Amino acid sequence: AQSVAQPEDQVNVAEGNPLTVKCTYSVSGNPYLFWYVQYPNRGLQFLLKYITGDNLVKGSYGFEAEFNKSQTSFHLKKPSALVSDSALYFCAVREDSNYQLIWGAGTKLIIKP
Amino acid sequence: NAGVTQTPKFQVLKTGQSMTLQCAQDMNHEYMSWYRQDPGMGLRLIHYSVGAGITDQGEVPNGYNVSRSTTEDFPLRLLSAAPSQTSVYFCASSSLAAANTGELFFGEGSRLTVL
Repeated sequence: AQSVAQPEDQVNVAEGNPLTVKCTYSVSGNPYLFWYVQYPNRGLQFLLKYITGDNLVKGSYGFEAEFNKSQTSFHLKKPSALVSDSALYFCAVREDSNYQLIWGAGTKLIIKP
Repeated sequence: NAGVTQTPKFQVLKTGQSMTLQCAQDMNHEYMSWYRQDPGMGLRLIHYSVGAGITDQGEVPNGYNVSRSTTEDFPLRLLSAAPSQTSVYFCASSSLAAANTGELFFGEGSRLTVL
């Protein structure tokens, strides 16, 4: 069965420092991987995706994610955090043969000035 | 540019009451879906639709009904509300091509409390 794990409920980073939000997955086929962001009292917004190709994927707002097949991970990264990056981040996965997304529980990212 | 519009934003129900959460999109998207979001859990798919007249069950469909009479609208009906249905509900839409690669547009959510 497909599953997604976000091992950290919360990540605290100082403004200007690099940030990483972790995600690991389990699928039986080829994975499609996604990151979404949710700001307070708002719906989720698509950030980036990995389908195939280059393992480093660039997305919105300066975020990027690295696909690591051997470690079954898809960590979200940003070189220099902004206070405005504070939000809830969700990782999701689906198999290439299955239409439905499976979501992680979310990681709250707090960027302190 | 409205995108995906959900109403109401907040609702309080008593156990056993019925209600409908409305979802409308103005992007001519074929794919529409309903999720629920509970604390400490990821989003869980309730029902989805790939076009007018076509609906299918997701991961947690029990206690919910949907219909898709038009491309624009995808209402979610709670037939007899239970406290376990207290949650935040999100409607999401996409073109079929984008949905196939997981890119969804979300509404702002409807917070439902069942007493």
